[in-house]
This record gives sequence, C-alpha cells and structure tokens, in this order.
Amino acid sequence: SQQGEEDPQALSIQEGENATMNCSYKTSINNLQWYRQNSGRGLVHLILIRSNEREKHSGRLRVTLDTSKKSSSLLITASRAADTASYFCATDWTGANSKLTFGKGITLSVRP
Amino acid sequence: ETGVTQTPRHLVMGMTNKKSLKCEQHLGHNAMYWYKQSAKKPLELMFVYNFKEQTENNSVPSRFSPECPNSSHLFLHLHTLQPEDSALYLCASSQTSGISYEQYFGPGTRLTVT
Repeated sequence: SQQGEEDPQALSIQEGENATMNCSYKTSINNLQWYRQNSGRGLVHLILIRSNEREKHSGRLRVTLDTSKKSSSLLITASRAADTASYFCATDWTGANSKLTFGKGITLSVRP
Repeated sequence: ETGVTQTPRHLVMGMTNKKSLKCEQHLGHNAMYWYKQSAKKPLELMFVYNFKEQTENNSVPSRFSPECPNSSHLFLHLHTLQPEDSALYLCASSQTSGISYEQYFGPGTRLTVT
C-alpha cells in the first residue's frame, strides 16, 4: 500500500499537554499534508509540507518531514478540548497522477 | 465554513432507489473530487474532475455515476446500491488536480442503504 500510516491509532491527553502524532509512508512524495476531521464532518486542511522542506509551523501546529526516514510528525502544543478530532496524513506521492492518499487517521481526545 | 456545501446531509435509501448527491464549491476551484469514507478504513478516492473533465475513476462500480456540469458543481448519481455502500460520502475541491494543492472538503453526506 502506498498510503501513509499514522501512529498511534488513538491518543488521549490532558488539556494543556502537547500531542505528537506520526505518519510513515513508503514511496517518494511530492508533498505531505495533514488534515483534521471532527466527528461526522468533512476534513479540514491543516498544513502542507513539501518534500524539500523539513519543518513548518502554523499557530500551535508544528509539522516536520524526514524524507530519509519517510516519516512526518504533527505536534499540537498546549492542546485544548476543541482539538479533539481525528487527524489524517495524506501523501501526494510521485507517480500517483496527482492523487492524495490518506491514512486511517489518529483519534485524539483532549480531556478538559 | 469551508466554502464547499453538500446536500443532502443524510440519506436513507433502499437498494432499488435512485438518488443523487450534490456538491457545490464557492472557492473558484477547477478540480473536484468524490471520496468514500467507511468506518476503520482509509479515505477512498472515487472520482476526480479537472476543468469539468473526469481524470480519475478509481475502479468505482457503475452503480455510482458522477456528473460535473461545470467547475462549481458535482453530482453523484446512485442506483441499485448495496448495503456495503453505506458510508460518508465527501466532496472536495482544489485549485486544480495538480500536485501540491490542498483540498477543501464539504461536510459530507451520510448514506445508509437498507
């Protein structure tokens, strides 16, 4: 399978703590994207990181990409109850004819 | 609000019914997508349209028939569905279907086939 695989499958933390989620993939990519999905809703784009970038920030979000290890991480700092959602990584891998391939997602629960 | 709307939000249909899902994007994008999301499975890409032309059909059964009359509207026509087709159907759009563009999703249609 070419899809990204997120790790862990589920994560439960206390409000105020940091949450780290990981994504691994198997083939060379053009870019990697992270999305959030609240229960029963559509996905919301969070960050896109290109294959020649190593780190990007957006507010409380920090994404890293290590192409040598074929992995990415999403860090949410100072988590809030509203961060409770499923998080997906999606890879736009070379040879995919410009398709995004999504993983199964990570369920994050932030306890108030 | 993401600028992508989907109707209906919920749909229950029998296996012999014919129904349609509608998606509209207000973002000026040129590419639109249909995805299927089933429990405990990765998001499955179904169809891609770029400038109204279908560029991807991911081996979807013919009981699903897409239609893209213009870059802002996308339909998914459903007929003689099976219970395993019950899922959340998500529409998305992006600037084009080329690489490196983020996708904007609608809220989805929760489909139940009885």
